[in-house]
Amino acid sequence: SQQGEEDPQALSIQEGENATMNCSYKTSINNLQWYRQNSGRGLVHLILIRSNEREKHSGRLRVTLDTSKKSSSLLITASRAADTASYFCATDDMYSGAGSYQLTFGKGTKLSVIP
Amino acid sequence: NAGVTQTPKFQVLKTGQSMTLQCAQDMNHNSMYWYRQDPGMGLRLIYYSASEGTTDKGEVPNGYNVSRLNKREFSLRLESAAPSQTSVYFCAGDRDADTQYFGPGTRLTVL
Repeated sequence: SQQGEEDPQALSIQEGENATMNCSYKTSINNLQWYRQNSGRGLVHLILIRSNEREKHSGRLRVTLDTSKKSSSLLITASRAADTASYFCATDDMYSGAGSYQLTFGKGTKLSVIP
Repeated sequence: NAGVTQTPKFQVLKTGQSMTLQCAQDMNHNSMYWYRQDPGMGLRLIYYSASEGTTDKGEVPNGYNVSRLNKREFSLRLESAAPSQTSVYFCAGDRDADTQYFGPGTRLTVL
């Protein structure tokens, strides 16, 4: 079952603008991750935020987490054409006793950055 | 380092045929995973292996089997392919149970 749900499903912006994507989830989590997928490629990890963190930065990426609202947002600042991709949030589902995370992915936000 | 590799990249099968999707990693991952991705959907977990010698079902295991051959290799087998198994299959691994590293995918069509 889908844990995370991204919003919007699709987003089109001009190069240089900021892009904001949101993710809502249903159950308590240990961490939330964001992944990027370029067309026809595998997913690439962008950033992980733990449940006890509220904000995290990595380069042009800013992620926030609100556990009381069960939501996260991903902000990409000063977007570039190369940022065109689908972005997925993924929440963990700890496999008890084995230390292996079962990630549950949302359906993704498709971002188009127009040059 | 090749990272996570998958073979084949593309495959077309007829209903009822069998095949094995191969996945290998050289990143010393303890855990490995098989997902499928259908249009407009996120990834859904088919099977995973928390460590060498163990495998467990994920969200959508029906119609699939897996083998964790050794620490490096994790294969996915379709014994009798069905059109509903047309999808893109991704293998992934993780070392520290935080970040998963994905292969490039296998695009499978079942006619």
